[in-house]
Amino acid sequence: GENVEQHPSTLSVQEGDSAVIKCTYSDSASNYFPWYKQELGKRPQLIIDIRSNVGEKKDQRIAVTLNKTAKHFSLHITETQPEDSAVYFCAALMEYGNKLVFGAGTILRVKS
Amino acid sequence: DVKVTQSSRYLVKRTGEKVFLECVQDMDHENMFWYRQDPGLGLRLIYFSYDVKMKEKGDIPEGYSVSREKKERFSLILESASTNQTSMYLCASSPADRYGYTFGSGTRLTVV
Repeated sequence: GENVEQHPSTLSVQEGDSAVIKCTYSDSASNYFPWYKQELGKRPQLIIDIRSNVGEKKDQRIAVTLNKTAKHFSLHITETQPEDSAVYFCAALMEYGNKLVFGAGTILRVKS
Repeated sequence: DVKVTQSSRYLVKRTGEKVFLECVQDMDHENMFWYRQDPGLGLRLIYFSYDVKMKEKGDIPEGYSVSREKKERFSLILESASTNQTSMYLCASSPADRYGYTFGSGTRLTVV
C-alpha cells in the first residue's frame, strides 16, 4: 500500500545549527506534501506545505524541498532554537483514496 | 480559536466496554478523519468521511466503526474495547480539496 518513510527518527542539534528531516513516498501521483509540528501534549500543527508544481518553498527559518523524480521531500530548519524542539511529521496526499499518509515522525531536540 | 474539538482529553475504559470518541469542527469542512498515534508508528488512519453519512475505511479500521450524522460531528466507536486499543486518538478535518488538515487536541484512551 501507500507509505511514507521518514528519517531520522530522532535528531539532536545544537542551538543555532541546522536540522534536516527527509521523507520518501510511494505514490508517484501524490501532489501535496505538508509538514506538521507537534509539541509535547499538543495537537499537530501545519508549519509548511508544498505542492508538486514547485521544487522549494521557504517561510522564514523553515524550508521544504521536493524532488518528484526521486519521490522525496525534506524539511530544513536553520538557526534552530530550543522552541523548535518537537515531533515533526511529514505527509503525502495519496491520489488513491485521496488521503494524507503520514511518516512515523522525527523527535527533534535542540540543545542550548 | 479552537476549531476542532475532541470531547475528552483523557479516558480510561475497561476491556469489553463500548467507547465513543466525539469530534466536532466549526469550519464547515467536508472531510473528517480519525487517526491513531502510537510511538514510532506515526499517525495511522482509522476511518474518514467526506460527507454526511459517508464513511471510508482507512489503514487500520479493524475493531472500530464511525458515525457522521451531521457535517460538523464525527464519532469514533470502539464496539468492544481491548487493551491493544490503548492509544492517542486524533481527529482532523479538512476542506473538500484536502489541503490543510486541522487537528483536534487528541484523546488519550487507556483500556484496562
